[in-house]
Amino acid sequence: NAGVTQTPKFRVLKTGQSMTLLCAQDMNHEYMYWYRQDPGMGLRLIHYSVGEGTTAKGEVPDGYNVSRLKKQNFLLGLESAAPSQTSVYFCASRNGPPYGYTFGSGTRLTVV
Amino acid sequence: GQQVMQIPQYQHVQEGEDFTTYCNSSTTLSNIQWYKQRPGGHPVFLIQLVKSGEVKKQKRLTFQFGEAKKNSSLHITATQTTDVGTYFCVGEYGNKLVFGAGTILRVKS
Repeated sequence: NAGVTQTPKFRVLKTGQSMTLLCAQDMNHEYMYWYRQDPGMGLRLIHYSVGEGTTAKGEVPDGYNVSRLKKQNFLLGLESAAPSQTSVYFCASRNGPPYGYTFGSGTRLTVV
Repeated sequence: GQQVMQIPQYQHVQEGEDFTTYCNSSTTLSNIQWYKQRPGGHPVFLIQLVKSGEVKKQKRLTFQFGEAKKNSSLHITATQTTDVGTYFCVGEYGNKLVFGAGTILRVKS
């Protein structure tokens, strides 16, 4: 009964380093999302996927890439981290409209 | 583009007082969802409203969807310290979801 699992939970990167955040869901959901949450900004959509092999840009996609090679996994990549990418990242999944999201517990990323 | 405005941004209440947060959209929503995020936690789905004028209750929480499907509210009766957190509405426009900025609720005991 894991739901949505995000790894890692915490990470500190130096400017220019790269990393991949992994999101895995065991609910057979079609739709998966990556959000970032910053103080006073609410949740902003980075990228999303409506099914295996598909991805689309959200509200703030610059500096990020994603892949959905398997239905249960959605990866978020930062090729060259910048301090502006310091944030809490949440992955979410759902079975498409009109169903609600299930969120992962988040990844707190600091870029120094 | 579509926007969901949520007010107030913050609310501090005395334990036992009521609390209400409001969401408004300039265009008609397909449905609206409500989430709660505890400090340091992740958003957790509370409920979804689909029908015009719909009212749903979960214990001390009452959710309403406006007749025009452009506004919604969440009302908590007799707040408790366990109610602290940020409450978000999420408006759905067809296949697009838009988050409100959230209302931070603090409860003084």
